[in-house]
Amino acid sequence: GNSVTQMEGPVTLSEEAFLTINCTYTATGYPSLFWYVQYPGEGLQLLLKATKADDKGSNKGFEATYRKETTSFHLEKGSVQVSDSAVYFCALSDRSSGNTGKLIFGQGTTLQVKP
Amino acid sequence: KAGVTQTPRYLIKTRGQQVTLSCSPISGHRSVSWYQQTPGQGLQFLFEYFSETQRNKGNFPGRFSGRQFSNSRSEMNVSTLELGDSALYLCASSLVQGGENTEAFFGQGTRLTVV
Repeated sequence: GNSVTQMEGPVTLSEEAFLTINCTYTATGYPSLFWYVQYPGEGLQLLLKATKADDKGSNKGFEATYRKETTSFHLEKGSVQVSDSAVYFCALSDRSSGNTGKLIFGQGTTLQVKP
Repeated sequence: KAGVTQTPRYLIKTRGQQVTLSCSPISGHRSVSWYQQTPGQGLQFLFEYFSETQRNKGNFPGRFSGRQFSNSRSEMNVSTLELGDSALYLCASSLVQGGENTEAFFGQGTRLTVV
C-alpha cells in the first residue's frame, strides 16, 4: 500500500542553520506530495505542494522537489528561525486510485530551533 | 475568507458515552475529510465526504461514523467511547476540480479526552 517515511526527530538546530528533513514515499500511482506544519495546540497548515515529477514547491523560504526516480520529497530551508520550531509532516494523495480526498502522512518530524 | 471551523475545541467524555464533533468547511469546498491524531499512531484517515456521500473510508471500527449536510458542513460521531479514542480529531476541506481534490485545509481540531 501507499506509505510515507520521514526522518526521525527531534531535529535541533541553531538559528540561521540549514535545514533538511528527509521524506520518501511508496505509491502505486502518481501521487501529489505535500508538506504540512503543525504549531503547538494548532491544526495543520499547508506549507507547500508538488503535483508531478520534478515540480518544486516553495513557500516562506522552504523548498521541496518531487523526485520520482528516488521517490523522495525532502524539505529544505537555507536559514531557519526560532519561529520555524514546529512539527513537520510529509503527506501524499494518490490520484491514480481516485482517492484524492485521502492523505497519507508520515510520522512527523519535530524541529526545534535555538537562538 | 473564513477557514475551516471545528467545534468544540475541547471535550471530556466518559467511557461508554457518545460524542458528536462538528466541522464547517471553507466556503465553496464540498469535500470534507476527518483524521485522528494520536502520539502513538500519528495522523490516520477516518473518512471523506463529498456531496453528502461518504467517498472514502479508513480502517476504523463502525463506532466511528459521519455525515455531511447539503451546506457541506460535516459531523462525526463516536459511539461507546473507549479510552483509546482520546485524540485530536482534525477536519480538512478541499475543492474538487476535474474529479480530483485540490490541497486540503485543516481546522484547529477538537481535542477529545475520554476518562
